[in-house]
Amino acid sequence: AQKITQTQPGMFVQEKEAVTLDCTYDTSDPSYGLFWYKQPSSGEMIFLIYQGSYDQQNATEGRYSLNFQKARKSANLVISASQLGDSAMYFCAVNYGGATNKLIFGTGTLLAVQP
Amino acid sequence: NAGVTQTPKFQVLKTGQSMTLQCAQDMNHEYMSWYRQDPGMGLRLIHYSVGAGITDQGEVPNGYNVSRSTTEDFPLRLLSAAPSQTSVYFCASGTAGWLDSPLHFGNGTRLTVT
Repeated sequence: AQKITQTQPGMFVQEKEAVTLDCTYDTSDPSYGLFWYKQPSSGEMIFLIYQGSYDQQNATEGRYSLNFQKARKSANLVISASQLGDSAMYFCAVNYGGATNKLIFGTGTLLAVQP
Repeated sequence: NAGVTQTPKFQVLKTGQSMTLQCAQDMNHEYMSWYRQDPGMGLRLIHYSVGAGITDQGEVPNGYNVSRSTTEDFPLRLLSAAPSQTSVYFCASGTAGWLDSPLHFGNGTRLTVT
């Protein structure tokens, strides 16, 4: 079965510092999509950023960027200049393609931003 | 903009009872899915659908049924609730077949089975 691994159950970061959340995945498919979602304590799932397996450049969305290393099958999320509002659970997910939009999720990393 | 609407927000069931979790979307998305979220286990896919009349099983389908009679609605049925089905349930929709299409999530249903 396809597996997404997030090895950091919890992390702390000081406000205004950068933090990297790790994500590795297994696949032999050449074509897939990588997503990161944020889940604050209120519970909703918020889409943050997307990276395609054929994209040559790392994706960026504001303070979020993806460190995509295809050969290592890793797609780490980098949050720059952390804010208190970044405290949340973060999930990595992979769309393995085909006719569906089926996302497989990792177990998540709980990030706490400290003032 | 309603997006994905889930009802109810909270539900308590006794073991053996049945119920239906409702999910509706107004974005004309072909793809709809149900996930359950348990502590330490992330989101696990229960069932999904790529269009009206088409459903398929995900990672953890046992104990759940689905049907898709319209594009907008994708209800999840628990036929005989068990304590192991205590969880937070999310419905999500998206554009089928596009790798770069993110899923849009409902706000979740917190279910407790006693």
